Amino acid sequence: GQNIDQPTEMTATEGAIVQINCTYQTSGFNGLFWYQQHAGEAPTFLSYNVLDGLEEKGRFSSFLSRSKGYSYLLLKELQMKDSASYLCAPMFSGGYNKLIFGAGTRLAVHP
Amino acid sequence: DSGVTQTPKHLITATGQRVTLRCSPRSGDLSVYWYQQSLDQGLQFLIQYYNGEERAKGNILERFSAQQFPDLHSELNLSSLELGDSALYFCASSENAFRDSYNEQFFGPGTRLTVL
Repeated sequence: GQNIDQPTEMTATEGAIVQINCTYQTSGFNGLFWYQQHAGEAPTFLSYNVLDGLEEKGRFSSFLSRSKGYSYLLLKELQMKDSASYLCAPMFSGGYNKLIFGAGTRLAVHP
Repeated sequence: DSGVTQTPKHLITATGQRVTLRCSPRSGDLSVYWYQQSLDQGLQFLIQYYNGEERAKGNILERFSAQQFPDLHSELNLSSLELGDSALYFCASSENAFRDSYNEQFFGPGTRLTVL
């Protein structure tokens, strides 16, 4: 398999910063997506990284290190509405846009 | 609203039965993907179609089948249902699905299937 690993649960305080890590198998790696999913709802796209480095998009940033098989999603100025699951989904070569999702990290933001 | 529609929203049925879930992709999208998400589980990729043809298969049971029609809508058929098939079934679509390319997938609201 692709050995996608991310923490199961995290908690944080409103206004704080949280980093959600994801590791994956590097063989055949071809890019990585992060999705947000509120309970019982559809996943929504947050970011896509294919090159090493940090991609910033408002309060959310995503980082990728291809050689280390590592990515993280950084959420700043946390709000209560950020309480959701965050899904790491790498793509691997030979596929036709197929995503393999990790189990997700359930983030709880407290006042 | 992603533009992907799925019907029905909820489905309650009994073990041994057969159901059909329907998905209409975003206008212009040629590729459709089906995922299963059981309670507190991650999204499991089932199958992918591109312009009517099967493109990739994941952990789809033999009791399950799917197809994409000429108007690009897709149906997922689940037969001989078991209690463990209770889950949220998501459909997603993307503009295309070229080899080793990136296209954002847009997810529908899902169909919640309950097997009693």
